[in-house]
Amino acid sequence: EADIYQTPRYLVIGTGKKITLECSQTMGHDKMYWYQQDPGMELHLIHYSYGVNSTEKGDLSSESTVSRIRTEHFPLTLESARPSHTSQYLCASSENTGELFFGEGSRLTVL
Amino acid sequence: KNQVEQSPQSLIILEGKNCTLQCNYTVSPFSNLRWYKQDTGRGPVSLTIMTFSENTKSNGRYTATLDADTKQSSLHITASQLSDSASYICVVSDITAGNKLTFGGGTRVLVKP
Repeated sequence: EADIYQTPRYLVIGTGKKITLECSQTMGHDKMYWYQQDPGMELHLIHYSYGVNSTEKGDLSSESTVSRIRTEHFPLTLESARPSHTSQYLCASSENTGELFFGEGSRLTVL
Repeated sequence: KNQVEQSPQSLIILEGKNCTLQCNYTVSPFSNLRWYKQDTGRGPVSLTIMTFSENTKSNGRYTATLDADTKQSSLHITASQLSDSASYICVVSDITAGNKLTFGGGTRVLVKP
């Protein structure tokens, strides 16, 4: 069982609020990722990190930002949430084999 | 642009029956191909991982096959159970792009009693 945790699992907020989605892993993986997934749709990479102080934008443009101050922690922040940000956000980490270990996801609803 | 196409998009089967899901990809060369299972509202979980030199890999009632010549993979579910209801995602790793992952759109499987 993967040791990667996301909080909150569900979040409903109003437009304009700042939110941070937390992601932590205890496997010592250097590589971590954030994916965005709308219901019934495919996963899209929005951010990734290959180590501490390293962050890159993914294939899908996102107004969110990430930070990687510690190996085990990869939080995602939205400074001003909008209804278009409503989605499921999945955090993952990987070892050198490339196998992804996913968290349970954070389902964000912006009213 | 590298693509991973999965078919069918969705599938309904009766409990106890078998089914096969398809994955066609254009990523070449690739380092490995993975199948993930994603329950509704949960994160995907790895089922199988195959390198380009492997033809088949099993994980319980799940058997994945790979034909690197035709760039096709399949996932066969044997004696389906209600808990098999989920989305199944094919992911191919592009060896020429730092093992960048390309995701298929998934096949949604519904097992009915």
